[in-house]
Amino acid sequence: KAGVTQTPRYLIKTRGQQVTLSCSPISGHRSVSWYQQTPGQGLQFLFEYFSETQRNKGNFPGRFSGRQFSNSRSEMNVSTLELGDSALYLCASSTPTSGGTQETQYFGPGTRLLVL
Amino acid sequence: AQKITQTQPGMFVQEKEAVTLDCTYDTSDPSYGLFWYKQPSSGEMIFLIYQGSYDQQNATEGRYSLNFQKARKSANLVISASQLGDSAMYFCAMRVYSSASKIIFGSGTRLSIRP
Repeated sequence: KAGVTQTPRYLIKTRGQQVTLSCSPISGHRSVSWYQQTPGQGLQFLFEYFSETQRNKGNFPGRFSGRQFSNSRSEMNVSTLELGDSALYLCASSTPTSGGTQETQYFGPGTRLLVL
Repeated sequence: AQKITQTQPGMFVQEKEAVTLDCTYDTSDPSYGLFWYKQPSSGEMIFLIYQGSYDQQNATEGRYSLNFQKARKSANLVISASQLGDSAMYFCAMRVYSSASKIIFGSGTRLSIRP
């Protein structure tokens, strides 16, 4: 079974631009979560989608948005990029279990975004 | 509020020795799961092991075991017979199974294995 895939793997943008990152979950997984990882802040939760609905959201400004399609693929968008948005963006997929327990997230390789 | 604490920023261990990575957590919710992930320099987060709050026995997965002490709210990862390929960042994480559950991560421990 193929793992979580993320595209692109590397991206260089300039301040003020916008960017869209894509994530394809493991086949059969309906939940997709996004994380931002920086040396200073560590791993921070962005949002989680399940069956095309956002079911959880972290503390990020409205410039960060996402969506999920009917095939469970997800995209996240960052508008008006700032230097501080430079980070590794990780996507993880999971499948709900009975009672929600042991819902393990499996991560993709990440997209490294550099904002100049 | 939920919190994960990893107090060891970095550790050096001799190859073939066992190593324990510390993790303490804080939550008032009785239903939660604890996870350990490994992140090599490539960046990908690799799932290692899971422990549920209601599990009676400590989880084990090959060379990985989780020393779960519920009363102390600790979930330390034990790696037996360490290998050079174990050098990586290790993250402890927790998911509280409430209606607004999300995974939170600790700050990580960088493990370096010496040959």
